[in-house]
Amino acid sequence: SQQGEEDPQALSIQEGENATMNCSYKTSINNLQWYRQNSGRGLVHLILIRSNEREKHSGRLRVTLDTSKKSSSLLITASRAADTASYFCATGHSGNTPLVFGKGTRLSVIA
Amino acid sequence: DTGVSQDPRHKITKRGQNVTFRCDPISEHNRLYWYRQTLGQGPEFLTYFQNEAQLEKSRLLSDRFSAERPKGSFSTLEIQRTEQGDSAMYLCASSFESPDTQYFGPGTRLTVL
Repeated sequence: SQQGEEDPQALSIQEGENATMNCSYKTSINNLQWYRQNSGRGLVHLILIRSNEREKHSGRLRVTLDTSKKSSSLLITASRAADTASYFCATGHSGNTPLVFGKGTRLSVIA
Repeated sequence: DTGVSQDPRHKITKRGQNVTFRCDPISEHNRLYWYRQTLGQGPEFLTYFQNEAQLEKSRLLSDRFSAERPKGSFSTLEIQRTEQGDSAMYLCASSFESPDTQYFGPGTRLTVL
């Protein structure tokens, strides 16, 4: 079963605007990760945030984590047409348990 | 290119046939994962290996699914007696020791007619 749930399911914005995607999860986590998937391709790892971190940046990406609300957000600033993709959050847990992915947010950036 | 590779990229088969997919992980990675992804969904975990040991296989969808990693390098995923419901993208990923960051291959898209 999928634990993470992204919101919104789909998002359409103009180039240059910021895009915000949210992820909620149900059980305690060790870390939370965001991945991008272009249509029909494999997933690309974007960023990992550990449970004891609250915010992390990587280039135009900013991720926040609120473990009390069991939620995370991914902000893409100054979006580009090339950012058009599906974005998935995945929760990591202790031990040998696998990553659990959400259903994703489909982002369309219109030039 | 030293990323994760999968072969074939596309497979069309008839219902009832057996299919086998191959995954070659990043060479220094000792963990290898298989996922299935259907349209509009996120990847669904199937199984994973640490070196040649299969540490989790309870999530394999049925006994028609099996996976091997005989020498701790490449892995194969076999589906026997395929059904139309098996049509999906099958993704492989690898990581180094910690499962934290996984590197995905391009996937094998299976279509069962």
